[in-house]
Amino acid sequence: DAGVIQSPRHEVTEMGQEVTLRCKPISGHDYLFWYRQTMMRGLELLIYFNNNVPIDDSGMPEDRFSAKMPNASFSTLKIQPSEPRDSAVYFCASSLRSFWGEAFFGQGTRLTVV
Amino acid sequence: EDKVVQSPLSLVVHEGDTVTLNCSYEVTNFRSLLWYKQEKKAPTFLFMLTSSGIEKKSGRLSSILDKKELFSILNITATQTGDSAVYLCAVPFGNEKLTFGTGTRLTIIP
Repeated sequence: DAGVIQSPRHEVTEMGQEVTLRCKPISGHDYLFWYRQTMMRGLELLIYFNNNVPIDDSGMPEDRFSAKMPNASFSTLKIQPSEPRDSAVYFCASSLRSFWGEAFFGQGTRLTVV
Repeated sequence: EDKVVQSPLSLVVHEGDTVTLNCSYEVTNFRSLLWYKQEKKAPTFLFMLTSSGIEKKSGRLSSILDKKELFSILNITATQTGDSAVYLCAVPFGNEKLTFGTGTRLTIIP
């Protein structure tokens, strides 16, 4: 397996534009997590899915953020409209069965909103 | 309040030194504590400690869990420049949230 795959690796966009980040989890993993990492706040959990169903989205900062998982092999995180304070590295991670086990991270998407 | 606190925030040592990184936590219904290493990209898994596995070792790295005092330490002996990274501690909180501490930035000077 190639691991968790995220795209794009880098995204630079203008304030107000829509941004869509993509994630392909490891096949067979039941849990998928979206994290945001900044220098100030470290790694923050935004939302996670279990068997494609969103379980907890309390970490999503605002209504401008939304996430979907239409099937077991694909998830998106969308920001609309984007703002400069959304600039961060966004990680997707997946884990097998129990959420308290090892989570495998993708390489992240570095988002810069100018 | 559930929380994960790591110390120190940063640490600079010379190659060959031994370091100890700390992670304290407060969580209801403890299940596990995980250590990750993050270099320039994604965090990579090091250890998972649970009630039934409170000590782990892999090469020069080892970790113990003290469930009574609610902390874990990560030891690295004979440090090498490749050990330079941010070390993250994570604990699952209620509702299945794997929550990370802010990390310890370790720098190894040749």
